[in-house]
Amino acid sequence: GAVVSQHPSRVICKSGTSVKIECRSLDFQATTMFWYRQFPKQSLMLMATSNEGSKATYEQGVEKDKFLINHASLTLSTLTVTSAHPEDSSFYICSARDSSRGAFYEQYFGPGTRLTVT
Amino acid sequence: DQQVKQNSPSLSVQEGRISILNCDYTNSMFDYFLWYKKYPAEGPTFLISISSIKDKNEDGRFTVFLNKSAKHLSLHIVPSQPGDSAVYFCAASAGYNYGQNFVFGPGTRLSVLP
Repeated sequence: GAVVSQHPSRVICKSGTSVKIECRSLDFQATTMFWYRQFPKQSLMLMATSNEGSKATYEQGVEKDKFLINHASLTLSTLTVTSAHPEDSSFYICSARDSSRGAFYEQYFGPGTRLTVT
Repeated sequence: DQQVKQNSPSLSVQEGRISILNCDYTNSMFDYFLWYKKYPAEGPTFLISISSIKDKNEDGRFTVFLNKSAKHLSLHIVPSQPGDSAVYFCAASAGYNYGQNFVFGPGTRLSVLP
C-alpha cells in the first residue's frame, strides 16, 4: 500500500524557536497533502490543505504565519511551526492523496510527529 | 458544532464477538464516508469506506452500513480480535466540489478482551 513518512517522529524544542516537520509520500505522487493536529483524547483537526506548487489553504482559526506550509514537490510537504510556544505542543499528522487515482478517496496518513515545546 | 459524531467514547467487546461502532453526521452534503483505525502515537490507517450510493460495503471481517435517511453509519467487526483494540475514527467528505476534505469524528476506543 501507499506509504507516507514523517520526520522527525518526535521533537522537543525551546519556546521561541522554529521547528520543521517533513511529510513524504514514498511510493506515489501526491498533488495534495493535508496537515492535521491531534490534541490528547480528541479527534484529528484539519489545519491546512497543501497543494503542490501553490499556496496552502488554511482552515479557519489556523494562523498561516505561524504554521508555514510548503509543498515544493509531488512527494514532499513541510510544516514549519514558527516561534513555537508550549501551547503548540501536540501530535501533528500529515496525509497524502495519491494523484494517480482518479477519485479523491483515501488519504494515506503518516505516522505523526510529537512536538513538545518547553 | 460537530458535523461527525461518535457518541461512544469507548467500547469493550469479548474476543470472537461482534464489535459495532456507530457514527452520526449532520451535514447532508456528505457523500463519502470512511473508517480509520489508529494506534497510540501512530497515524490513522484506512480500514473501509462507503459512498452514499451504497448502503453496505464489506471487506473481510469489516462491514460498514450506511443509513442515509438517519444520517447514520456503523462499522461491524466480526469476529473481533485483540489486535483490533485501537481508536476508530469515522470520517466524512462532501465531495470534490467541497474541497475533498475529511471531517473526523472524535473517535471510539475499542478494547477487545481475550
